[in-house]
Amino acid sequence: DVVMTQSPLSLPVTLGQPASISCRSSQSLVYSDGNTYLSWFQQRPGQSPRRLIYRVSNRDSGVPDRFSGSGSGTDFTLKISRVEAEDVGVYYCMQGAHWPPYTFGQGTKLEIK
Amino acid sequence: EVQLVESGGGLEKPGGSLRLSCAASGFSFSNEWMSWVRQAPGRGLEWVGRIKRKTDGGTTEYAAPVKGRFTISRDDSKNTLYLQMNSLKTDDTAVYYCTTVARWGQGTLVTVSS
Repeated sequence: DVVMTQSPLSLPVTLGQPASISCRSSQSLVYSDGNTYLSWFQQRPGQSPRRLIYRVSNRDSGVPDRFSGSGSGTDFTLKISRVEAEDVGVYYCMQGAHWPPYTFGQGTKLEIK
Repeated sequence: EVQLVESGGGLEKPGGSLRLSCAASGFSFSNEWMSWVRQAPGRGLEWVGRIKRKTDGGTTEYAAPVKGRFTISRDDSKNTLYLQMNSLKTDDTAVYYCTTVARWGQGTLVTVSS
């Protein structure tokens, strides 16, 4: 299975400040069709996961533009330009290039300092 | 509005069975590959399995911990996804989500305990 490793696992951030989460995969996530299948999800406390980013850098509908994704191959990053209170929760990366199974990172818990 | 509504969770003894359902609305269900993802209490997300749309063969794939015990099926006439869980183990205790990956249901809690 492809192992997804996130860092940090805990991320205290001051409101209005930027935040960055790293995700590394044990294999390249470039699929045979040329696309890179790396997604980011947000899970707010008590809620279901919500996809924010797909194929590395594409924002889902309704996702604020303060969220951005970047990276290639095995190294990826989710950035929040200015953290707001509603961004508190756990963030997961997920690979969809090698199946079965799709695999998630361990999760990064973002909290407000 | 896209909606995925899971049901069928509850308390079951080890070795028992449960069938989860996921009612979909607001999108073309028959055109989507559908998945189940679970989350044990206080833990991260774990992929359970996936079923392709019929035009792509309708085949299923499962994660190793559930292979041979769980079965995913779909009824496109009812816009409903199913997860048949047999030979349940305490480790199967989790919230089970139905998902297209882009959209997620609210989840249904399965507790396996004697």
